[in-house]
Amino acid sequence: GAGVSQSPRYKVAKRGQDVALRCDPISGHVSLFWYQQALGQGPEFLTYFQNEAQLDKSGLPSDRFFAERPEGSVSTLKIQRTQQEDSAVYLCASSSELSGSRLLNTEAFFGQGTRLTVV
Amino acid sequence: QKEVEQNSGPLSVPEGAIASLNCTYSDRGSQSFFWYRQYSGKSPELIMFIYSNGDKEDGRFTAQLNKASQYVSLLIRDSQPSDSATYLCAVINTGGFKTIFGAGTRLFVKA
Repeated sequence: GAGVSQSPRYKVAKRGQDVALRCDPISGHVSLFWYQQALGQGPEFLTYFQNEAQLDKSGLPSDRFFAERPEGSVSTLKIQRTQQEDSAVYLCASSSELSGSRLLNTEAFFGQGTRLTVV
Repeated sequence: QKEVEQNSGPLSVPEGAIASLNCTYSDRGSQSFFWYRQYSGKSPELIMFIYSNGDKEDGRFTAQLNKASQYVSLLIRDSQPSDSATYLCAVINTGGFKTIFGAGTRLFVKA
């Protein structure tokens, strides 16, 4: 596609409900990142995929958060038993370059995000 | 201490002035540094990246990096009202996988 696409754009979940957020990266992009952005804050790193391999998941806040990218393209971020503190915008970004390169200086393209509100 | 620190602002400058945005980072081994612009309700978009000490200019924007001081800045010349946004400083950490963002500085350019 022309850009990174995320769905849904908005999600309201009742506390305790499971949610799944989808990211369609730019075709051919190797690297895929998930971020969580709370109101008035910068994006917080959640996890990183290089093709289908999840190379860094150190930013996932709890074991209720799970991400996958089984075929190295579309990625899903799943949050189980949502809590109010999970309310945030979840951003996905993709890049054509491999992260971890000393010469990493390319642009990561962000999707429009999914705004999750847990009530 | 946060890994990437920015003054939250708001920074208010008149149209046509130079806006100066500053950022410090804690990981001395960081290699790549980015400035993103984020309009309210929108996703971040890259303005510039820099990875060598010194200045890098692109149009009205100049990024400055001083690794010894662990400091990176962004200068916007001839500021326009359309430059009003939150500017996010981002750093790729030593391990190379994480991009760590600052909380952002809100810039307001008065017409």
